Amino acid sequence: GQNIDQPTEMTATEGAIVQINCTYQTSGFNGLFWYQQHAGEAPTFLSYNVLDGLEEKGRFSSFLSRSKGYSYLLLKELQMKDSASYLCAVREGTGFQKLVFGTGTRLLVSP
Amino acid sequence: DTAVSQTPKYLVTQMGNDKSIKCEQNLGHDTMYWYKQDSKKFLKIMFSYNNKELIINETVPNRFSPKSPDKAHLNLHINSLELGDSAVYFCASSQASRGKQTQYFGPGTRLLVL
Repeated sequence: GQNIDQPTEMTATEGAIVQINCTYQTSGFNGLFWYQQHAGEAPTFLSYNVLDGLEEKGRFSSFLSRSKGYSYLLLKELQMKDSASYLCAVREGTGFQKLVFGTGTRLLVSP
Repeated sequence: DTAVSQTPKYLVTQMGNDKSIKCEQNLGHDTMYWYKQDSKKFLKIMFSYNNKELIINETVPNRFSPKSPDKAHLNLHINSLELGDSAVYFCASSQASRGKQTQYFGPGTRLLVL
């Protein structure tokens, strides 16, 4: 089975740094994705981790600890356009794999 | 130059009707998916096809029948629509043999059953 937990909602101020956590319990772990979804739009790919450590991509970084079943997405220099839902998704299985999504964290960035 | 496209974007229909949603991708991917996102924004896999073969079939009522005429297209037919089918349905695609196999999503079809 799988269980993926994220905070439901977070608020932050423009220019600040925010960390969105994701914890998971799953069988056959094969990577973790973060997606961004603006209201009324499709999820778009942000980052991918399969090995422990930090992956940095511009203002966004993602961290993974497989032994702890834990990941976080770090957003720096927040902008108003970063207001969106952030979805943590675990890839399971071998061969043909599937993505199991968390419930998402709604981030509101205020001026 | 749309990567993953879906039609229609909005679908409003009566309970008991039958409807279809279509999806096409021009990314050259070999795997396509249908997801359902409910009112609480929870995104859940329904089906997946690889090279026209069904590879993932989650616990979905058999009123839902996917069909993949070729690896660039994946359609979803829903019979006897129910109120609980109201949701946003997203199509996605990926390349099974390519690295992290990132899934790319279509714009979604907003289905409202009255």
